[in-house]
Amino acid sequence: EAGVTQFPSHSVIEKGQTVTLRCDPISGHDNLYWYRRVMGKEIKFLLHFVKESKQDESGMPNNRFLAERTGGTYSTLKVQPAELEDSGVYFCASSQTRDRAYNEQFFGPGTRLTVL
Amino acid sequence: AQTVTQSQPEMSVQEAETVTLSCTYDTSESDYYLFWYKQPPSRQMILVIRQEAYKQQNATENRFSVNFQKAAKSFSLKISDSQLGDAAMYFCAFRGAQKLVFGQGTRLTINP
Repeated sequence: EAGVTQFPSHSVIEKGQTVTLRCDPISGHDNLYWYRRVMGKEIKFLLHFVKESKQDESGMPNNRFLAERTGGTYSTLKVQPAELEDSGVYFCASSQTRDRAYNEQFFGPGTRLTVL
Repeated sequence: AQTVTQSQPEMSVQEAETVTLSCTYDTSESDYYLFWYKQPPSRQMILVIRQEAYKQQNATENRFSVNFQKAAKSFSLKISDSQLGDAAMYFCAFRGAQKLVFGQGTRLTINP
């Protein structure tokens, strides 16, 4: 079974440009999460989808970030316009259930975004 | 808000020896889960071990074990008989309802 995949693995863009990151969760996983790690700091939560609905977007830094999950399958995270402080590694994770019982989040390899 | 603190940015250990990675957290919740994740160089983050807060018994997974001190809000990871493949970034994480809250990470080096 394929794990969580993310595309691209690396992206280098100029300040002011737009970048779109993609995440394909494990098949059948209703929960999809985006996290971000800025260089040397902790991994921070961005948002959580349950199927196509945004369940929690409290971690989204500002309105330059737009996440979508049309059809409840893959998700995209668009940054427009990108700023220098957006540089970091963006992780996607997926999990199978939503209740408070233990449900492991499986992580993708991350997309390293560099904004010059 | 929950916070997770890993006070050791880097640790190193001799192969076959034991190393302990520290983690403390802060929360007002009583029902939660704690995790240690491992991210090897250029590879995906994987779950190493988890602990349910309501369980008093410390979790163990082969050479990996935790020391969970709920009153002190401490959750350290012990790696016994360290192997070269254990070299990685280790992240401590807390989960209440859904989202994970991570610490800053500890980079573990294994010396042959």
